[in-house]
Amino acid sequence: AQSVTQLGSHVSVSEGALVLLRCNYSSSVPPYLFWYVQYPNQGLQLLLKYTSAATLVKGINGFEAEFKKSETSFHLTKPSAHMSDAAEYFCAVSGTGNQFYFGTGTSLTVIP
Amino acid sequence: DSGVTQTPKHLITATGQRVTLRCSPRSGDLSVYWYQQSLDQGLQFLIQYYNGEERAKGNILERFSAQQFPDLHSELNLSSLELGDSALYFCASSVGASGTNTDTQYFGPGTRLTVL
Repeated sequence: AQSVTQLGSHVSVSEGALVLLRCNYSSSVPPYLFWYVQYPNQGLQLLLKYTSAATLVKGINGFEAEFKKSETSFHLTKPSAHMSDAAEYFCAVSGTGNQFYFGTGTSLTVIP
Repeated sequence: DSGVTQTPKHLITATGQRVTLRCSPRSGDLSVYWYQQSLDQGLQFLIQYYNGEERAKGNILERFSAQQFPDLHSELNLSSLELGDSALYFCASSVGASGTNTDTQYFGPGTRLTVL
């Protein structure tokens, strides 16, 4: 079975500071991992995805994530936070059976 | 704009009623996925259709059903509604059948269902 755990339901950073959103996964098969962002009153937008091609994945809006098998982690980072990054972020894993499992989400607040 | 459309945007109904949510995928996408997002359950995968056929099933209640039509639009039917069914329902689409693996899923803006 597959699942993801997002540590920290709320994260606050100052504008210009490093953004680090944590995601740990559990999977009985090689996982495919995703980060999505949800802005208020909108649907989810894909930030990036890991499909085993490269462990460091670059996404949109300056975000990137590193797949670490030994730590079963797929943390999302951005070197410098912008006010526009304030949103809800979801980590997700897929595996066999075409099932797609989302984490509980992390709400990012950017302090000016 | 993801290219996925959902109607209606908001829906308010009473317990015991039945509603239908509609989704039109992006042009060229053959897979449609339905998700439920609520405060207590988070974002849950309900069901996937590919080119008219059911492909995968998640935490979908027996009171809920879905279908995908020949023009590839999909409908999610919710019946015998309960207060706990109040949630945001998202539709997503992707090109292929294995959309949860390498295909990107594109999400619609959602339908907010309120059951009173």
